[in-house]
Amino acid sequence: DAMVIQNPRYQVTQFGKPVTLSCSQTLNHNVMYWYQQKSSQAPKLLFHYYDKDFNNEADTPDNFQSRRPNTSFCFLDIRSPGLGDAAMYLCATSRDNGGREQFFGPGTRLTVL
Amino acid sequence: QKEVEQNSGPLSVPEGAIASLNCTYSDRGSQSFFWYRQYSGKSPELIMSIYSNGDKEDGRFTAQLNKASQYVSLLIRDSQPSDSATYLCAVSTGNQFYFGTGTSLTVIP
Repeated sequence: DAMVIQNPRYQVTQFGKPVTLSCSQTLNHNVMYWYQQKSSQAPKLLFHYYDKDFNNEADTPDNFQSRRPNTSFCFLDIRSPGLGDAAMYLCATSRDNGGREQFFGPGTRLTVL
Repeated sequence: QKEVEQNSGPLSVPEGAIASLNCTYSDRGSQSFFWYRQYSGKSPELIMSIYSNGDKEDGRFTAQLNKASQYVSLLIRDSQPSDSATYLCAVSTGNQFYFGTGTSLTVIP
């Protein structure tokens, strides 16, 4: 089945220790998104890629970076995680930018100690 | 003003009843509308999309869109305990995609 896969599902890191979250998709979608979601809040868009074209949301902290080495994979790097970065990180894909449905992976729950 | 607004609830309905979830949005140019279901600790799952005024039915779910009044709703017929979740409304305007904060639904057996 075509799907969006995220690894790891749970990540524990120490304050300030870099961490990388990964996302892969077999849907062959052009657009990949990274969201941060905290408890009882809406998903908050951090970045998205349309193919290789990177789009950073204006309020995404510099501490967050992203890479998309090919169509199938996308990575989220958190350079120096703080306690406030503990959240669920969601990867999503859509066929294109024009109002299409987004399909989510299972998410990675990040804990910062 | 938030782009997408939902009543956070919680909304409680008895098993077998109709659950009605509502969402309003601010941008009249919005073109695409979605309902996602999110179980606690899980990721959002797309359950309905609607693009034109009127009703769209899929099994026990009906999405209703009224662009003139800028609202979109989701009806769940014959509610089941397994429908207990948070329902997120999402609205797309051009290349932007906005989520509401969700309405928590509890279906009481």
